[in-house]
Amino acid sequence: EPEVTQTPSHQVTQMGQEVILRCVPISNHLYFYWYRQILGQKVEFLVSFYNNEISEKSEIFDDQFSVERPDGSNFTLKIRSTKLEDSAMYFCASSEELEETQYFGPGTRLLVL
Amino acid sequence: GDSVTQMEGPVTLSEEAFLTINCTYTATGYPSLFWYVQYPGEGLQLLLKATKADDKGSNKGFEATYRKETTSFHLEKGSVQVSDSAVYFCARNSGSRLTFGEGTQLTVNP
Repeated sequence: EPEVTQTPSHQVTQMGQEVILRCVPISNHLYFYWYRQILGQKVEFLVSFYNNEISEKSEIFDDQFSVERPDGSNFTLKIRSTKLEDSAMYFCASSEELEETQYFGPGTRLLVL
Repeated sequence: GDSVTQMEGPVTLSEEAFLTINCTYTATGYPSLFWYVQYPGEGLQLLLKATKADDKGSNKGFEATYRKETTSFHLEKGSVQVSDSAVYFCARNSGSRLTFGEGTQLTVNP
């Protein structure tokens, strides 16, 4: 069964450093998403992406964040200058169509020191 | 904005007990409703979904019915197993985003 994959599974970085989280969505899916879950809190929507453009973004997704589909398979989330409060589990998801079921990857646990 | 509210957790049950996890949602639009499960150390897995009022989603013995009149989507299972121990998240869609509830930690003891 096709699945969303994410790398790395864990990343530790210093405050102020740039990080890139990588995702490979399910191959025939057209919509891609990033969510985050701060420890002990809700899963929060960050951004959705379709046809090489951001479709929707939340108030969390500020200028420090960017997304990109650099090739036909990868979907990346970049945090330009990490802050302590960016420490969270980051989930990538994809769906075949808008408002269809979103399938999640296993997540990347980011720790900012 | 749209929101989803789940019952306070954690929930601890004995094996073969009946499970209910309550979920209510804000009634804007015509959302689809979802239950996702997160097993220890893993990501979010879709457990079941319902796309319109009175639909019942079911999977692995879990069920939830989309109740428009009460804006609810409560998760039930007649007989839980130790392997059901996980965190359960209720969610609704709002355009391209999913809005999640707080999550309910379920522990099933043998």
